[in-house]
Amino acid sequence: DGGITQSPKYLFRKEGQNVTLSCEQNLNHDAMYWYRQDPGQGLRLIYYSQIVNDFQKGDIAEGYSVSREKKESFPLTVTSAQKNPTAFYLCATEDPTGYEQYFGPGTRLTVT
Amino acid sequence: AQSVTQLDSQVPVFEEAPVELRCNYSSSVSVYLFWYVQYPNQGLQLLLKYLSGSTLVESINGFEAEFNKSQTSFHLRKPSVHISDTAEYFCAVSDRRGNKLVFGAGTILRVKS
Repeated sequence: DGGITQSPKYLFRKEGQNVTLSCEQNLNHDAMYWYRQDPGQGLRLIYYSQIVNDFQKGDIAEGYSVSREKKESFPLTVTSAQKNPTAFYLCATEDPTGYEQYFGPGTRLTVT
Repeated sequence: AQSVTQLDSQVPVFEEAPVELRCNYSSSVSVYLFWYVQYPNQGLQLLLKYLSGSTLVESINGFEAEFNKSQTSFHLRKPSVHISDTAEYFCAVSDRRGNKLVFGAGTILRVKS
């Protein structure tokens, strides 16, 4: 069964703690993306990676970090430097032939 | 840089009525255009896309969108909506180079019985 998995679905953390969100794919896509979604603001790009061992900052990278050690995996760490981390986080891959992105089910992070 | 404006944050409509969700974009280069749908607490699913060719594109569940280059628009339409169409819809644009998508703020479609 091909697709993108994100875990966990819901995540709760105390302020000041780092937290890592998982994103795994078996679509064999090179490019992977992390977005943040807030009500009424659409999706904003945090980081993206077009190939293993390489990644670039998106529009709102401050307070986040990523790694891309394997093609299948693109974890996102929300650090304590992120001022407003509570949000819905979406991971996506890109089909290079169709120019479309495929999304995972998302992780809702709540920091109190 | 590209930008996308979805002109309505919410669109309420009765079941079986027609609907149009508006999307305008800004770009200095040729673009690819997409509509995605998101059901509550889920990821986004591609609804339809315009890459080239016919300016009218259709989805399998009755939605269609028309690329209008002169008006820089890509409005989404459906002649008769169902309760199950209730969701949030996002318009997105890519500049054909970096393939990064820029999303609009979304339009919540509420279908009432």
